[in-house]
Amino acid sequence: GENVEQHPSTLSVQEGDSAVIKCTYSDSASNYFPWYKQELGKGPQLIIDIRSNVGEKKDQRIAVTLNKTAKHFSLHITETQPEDSAVYFCAASGLTGGGNKLTFGTGTQLKVEL
Amino acid sequence: DTEVTQTPKHLVMGMTNKKSLKCEQHMGHRAMYWYKQKAKKPPELMFVYSYEKLSINESVPSRFSPECPNSSLLNLHLHALQPEDSALYLCASSQEGSGRRRLYNEQFFGPGTRLTVL
Repeated sequence: GENVEQHPSTLSVQEGDSAVIKCTYSDSASNYFPWYKQELGKGPQLIIDIRSNVGEKKDQRIAVTLNKTAKHFSLHITETQPEDSAVYFCAASGLTGGGNKLTFGTGTQLKVEL
Repeated sequence: DTEVTQTPKHLVMGMTNKKSLKCEQHMGHRAMYWYKQKAKKPPELMFVYSYEKLSINESVPSRFSPECPNSSLLNLHLHALQPEDSALYLCASSQEGSGRRRLYNEQFFGPGTRLTVL
């Protein structure tokens, strides 16, 4: 099955700096890579995703890049703000008999310090 | 309505109790999911329903029993749980399709039910 590794496990940045979180996956058949933000006491919230036919996608301060050859993808957050502090999970998706099976990375605790 | 709702928010139960978790969505999604999340860990898939039929069971113990009574509702029946089953239980939903369209369907999560088994 799919295996997703995520680094770093914790990341502290100063407000206004950039943050980068990296993930690698093992199954070359995976073609969909979402990123989720989870705040304390809440469910994961989809913040951006990328499909295999795209190398990069940007949405305001958030961008994701995908390198299918190397099987890794990254989340970039620019001009970080205190409200960006949360746990971020990457995921990879493979086809199943029904539904969409996501395999999550281990998570990154991002702290944005004033 | 772009929301997945879950009830109750918190649940405390003994090992001999029977309880149920409920999940509801009105986005017209035909795939629904149960995940278990332990503290400081990623969500772990438990069950997937596609068009109200169970399509994936990730070898979950029988003390967890899912049910999908209609396209908007998903239940998780709990019986004879163990303290190690204490966790956040998350429900999610997505559109359903075929082939690659299924692969690209975003999953939307509810806020979860915090379960404590005494």
